[in-house]
Amino acid sequence: GAVVSQHPSWVICKSGTSVKIECRSLDFQATTMFWYRQFPKQSLMLMATSNEGSKATYEQGVEKDKFLINHASLTLSTLTVTSAHPEDSSFYICSATSDSSYGYTFGSGTRLTVV
Amino acid sequence: DAKTTQPTSMDCAEGRAANLPCNHSTISGNEYVYWYRQIHSQGPQYIIHGLKNNETNEMASLIITEDRKSSTLILPHATLRDTAVYYCIVLENYGQNFVFGPGTRLSVLP
Repeated sequence: GAVVSQHPSWVICKSGTSVKIECRSLDFQATTMFWYRQFPKQSLMLMATSNEGSKATYEQGVEKDKFLINHASLTLSTLTVTSAHPEDSSFYICSATSDSSYGYTFGSGTRLTVV
Repeated sequence: DAKTTQPTSMDCAEGRAANLPCNHSTISGNEYVYWYRQIHSQGPQYIIHGLKNNETNEMASLIITEDRKSSTLILPHATLRDTAVYYCIVLENYGQNFVFGPGTRLSVLP
């Protein structure tokens, strides 16, 4: 079955620094990738949608200059949280789909803690 | 906004069938019904999906009403490892936003 690998699974960083999270589709080409954020006891909130080779589309209220998304290849998308603050601490999850897949495969998530 | 409504929480005894309902009264003819679940601190896991007909796989069965305005996910023999939040989502095309509602928190009790 389709597998999406997300790395790292957890990260702790200092305020003001940047953190990069990788999302890879291991056995299929992901034409579209999504990035979600999930706060404790809440549902997943879509942050942005990215298609390979084009700029990401951000949801309302998500700062594109703070959450940089790059989808340079059909198997890799990255989310960089720039100048992180404690309020950015959250569980970040990616998902990927392709034209030939029947659904959306999710990564295992990255727990970001900003101290 | 999510196009589905689900109960906030449900309990089920271990070994019994868990029946999770979902209302999607505004579903359009081309939209599929997807079910995912999320175990604590993990990414969502695909369970099953369907369009009109009932579907069954190794994990669950999906029963869709004839008018397609509601569906039920059935876990035939729930185990403690089935404790999770279950999300019902309707979606037409690949590449569309996959919007999550609050889901149903299923607790399987020993």
